[in-house]
Amino acid sequence: DTAVSQTPKYLVTQMGNDKSIKCEQNLGHDTMYWYKQDSKKFLKIMFSYNNKELIINETVPNRFSPKSPDKAHLNLHINSLELGDSAVYFCASSQVPRITDTQYFGPGTRLTVL
Amino acid sequence: SQQGEEDPQALSIQEGENATMNCSYKTSINNLQWYRQNSGRGLVHLILIRSNEREKHSGRLRVTLDTSKKSSSLLITASRAADTASYFCATDNQGAQKLVFGQGTRLTINP
Repeated sequence: DTAVSQTPKYLVTQMGNDKSIKCEQNLGHDTMYWYKQDSKKFLKIMFSYNNKELIINETVPNRFSPKSPDKAHLNLHINSLELGDSAVYFCASSQVPRITDTQYFGPGTRLTVL
Repeated sequence: SQQGEEDPQALSIQEGENATMNCSYKTSINNLQWYRQNSGRGLVHLILIRSNEREKHSGRLRVTLDTSKKSSSLLITASRAADTASYFCATDNQGAQKLVFGQGTRLTINP
């Protein structure tokens, strides 16, 4: 069984479009995250939710809006896509929002903006 | 800004040899973690070492932490082809509830 799943795996779209990436975890965890990995492999946290409440919001353009309908899901909606948004986006989860808690990552969504 | 920086950026060795990767960081930490990322996949947690620990083992993995030098090393002994992956260190800035990742070391094990 897949622990943390993301859809789609690949997303190719034009500049200016709006797109969403979905994430689901079946681990029963309270905390979920979105990370962005750029072309140089730097991985940076974007958002963190604990039990549907936003707890970390890094300096991310407000074109990015996370939504957590329940604690098993954390979706990422991106408005007015720009070339610089091209990256691999990873969803992750942990049991609690404690920094020592192991984070479980999804397989990633490769977003390409043309 | 990035907290952890891995060194080397890329490492290629023969199967059976030991692989050593290093991570340096800038600010004080409570703990440091190592993750592995296989090509096209998500990260997988390997090991966590706390700031009051100097060395930790897990199977063929050995992690050391030197807080005076703000550095950590990951040693993989008796490497296997399946160890081919990128390895990332992740730290917390003391008090911050987020992991800060380095750029990773890309390890290739040649058969």
